[in-house]
Amino acid sequence: DADVTQTPRNRITKTGKRIMLECSQTKGHDRMYWYRQDPGLGLRLIYYSFDVKDINKGEISDGYSVSRQAQAKFSLSLESAIPNQTALYFCATSDLPWGPVDTQYFGPGTRLTVL
Amino acid sequence: DAKTTQPPSMDCAEGRAANLPCNHSTISGNEYVYWYRQIHSQGPQYIIHGLKNNETNEMASLIITEDRKSSTLILPHATLRDTAVYYCIVRVGGAGKSTFGDGTTLTVKP
Repeated sequence: DADVTQTPRNRITKTGKRIMLECSQTKGHDRMYWYRQDPGLGLRLIYYSFDVKDINKGEISDGYSVSRQAQAKFSLSLESAIPNQTALYFCATSDLPWGPVDTQYFGPGTRLTVL
Repeated sequence: DAKTTQPPSMDCAEGRAANLPCNHSTISGNEYVYWYRQIHSQGPQYIIHGLKNNETNEMASLIITEDRKSSTLILPHATLRDTAVYYCIVRVGGAGKSTFGDGTTLTVKP
């Protein structure tokens, strides 16, 4: 089984709808992240959480919210989806580092289309 | 995170070494160089990291210049499965979150 799972893997929704993307991990990591990737571009950070009680905005948090329900679960919500939120969304985890090696482990991605 | 500059695309012949450059002229003393790759539209995969010494693991080698303003990722014997987008990321070790640029699309050709 994959260490970082994302559901759904594909989603088509309509403008104005509320949608939730879910991420679960079995790696036991404290840190979790949500990134967005537009075609041909690199990933951009939406939100990140260093533990259950610590939530931080990334560079493009407007229009998104998150919930860290448990150490293993981190959900991303679009309160009112709009077409320019059509993108590939990745969840990632990393462990509290004892040194510089805080490798990020990424999920398979969720392809979201907003019509 | 320090800004990085990578060529948008490169080609490499199968079996030859692939050398992917990265410029990071504003790197700070406590910032590390990390490399990830993304095959097709899968989640990025960690490759290697380094501070100032050259590093090697089972996937690749990382050469960092003495002034640390640039680095090169080397895939010693590229295969078709190494075709991917390669991201060079510079950030403080242990910071967790990464700033991804647009990366280099490496195409390995038969």
